[in-house]
Amino acid sequence: DGGITQSPKYLFRKEGQNVTLSCEQNLNHDAMYWYRQDPGQGLRLIYYSQIVNDFQKGDIAEGYSVSREKKESFPLTVTSAQKNPTAFYLCASTGTSGGHPSTDTQYFGPGTRLTVL
Amino acid sequence: AQSVAQPEDQVNVAEGNPLTVKCTYSVSGNPYLFWYVQYPNRGLQFLLKYITGDNLVKGSYGFEAEFNKSQTSFHLKKPSALVSDSALYFCAVRGNAGNNRKLIWGLGTSLAVNP
Repeated sequence: DGGITQSPKYLFRKEGQNVTLSCEQNLNHDAMYWYRQDPGQGLRLIYYSQIVNDFQKGDIAEGYSVSREKKESFPLTVTSAQKNPTAFYLCASTGTSGGHPSTDTQYFGPGTRLTVL
Repeated sequence: AQSVAQPEDQVNVAEGNPLTVKCTYSVSGNPYLFWYVQYPNRGLQFLLKYITGDNLVKGSYGFEAEFNKSQTSFHLKKPSALVSDSALYFCAVRGNAGNNRKLIWGLGTSLAVNP
């Protein structure tokens, strides 16, 4: 988990509320990612950002929004439009190892467990 | 389309026995393959990766994986399992097209090592 922090560890939300999950990295990595993990479904990509001030939708972006104003920060907002937000959310980052970007390893934060009440 | 399959939802082994967690992939071009482990309510930890070179890759905690191009497989192995190896294991693949850094993930295999 070292180098990437996520907060809070546990988060409870009432229906209809927006909540923001924090992800910070001190690894000087260019790329950052948000995944959602549900039991038996593996990891599904929500959004990713390969550079500051730029981000792309992943496979399940509906109901989520992100920003990338600083290299070290990539917050995720879960909006009220997300119909089933209860899940474990994982943030990851990738640096440039000097080789092809495809070879870079993703490093993960400890995760935030979001529960909708 | 790129894909990864982990054919076993769960693997059970006795402590001290060798373990294998299977992974097969489909990707155009040369694959870059990764294994991660996840303990309950924790983030994923990187174990090892195959980029090029020797087909047998050694990683953290005594794990290794063998890249088999003809069988499009990248099975994770350990000669002697420990109870503390019990966790969820994920295989992932990335193709080498363009500047794409997205990983394609398997659904995970739950490993239970029995004392």
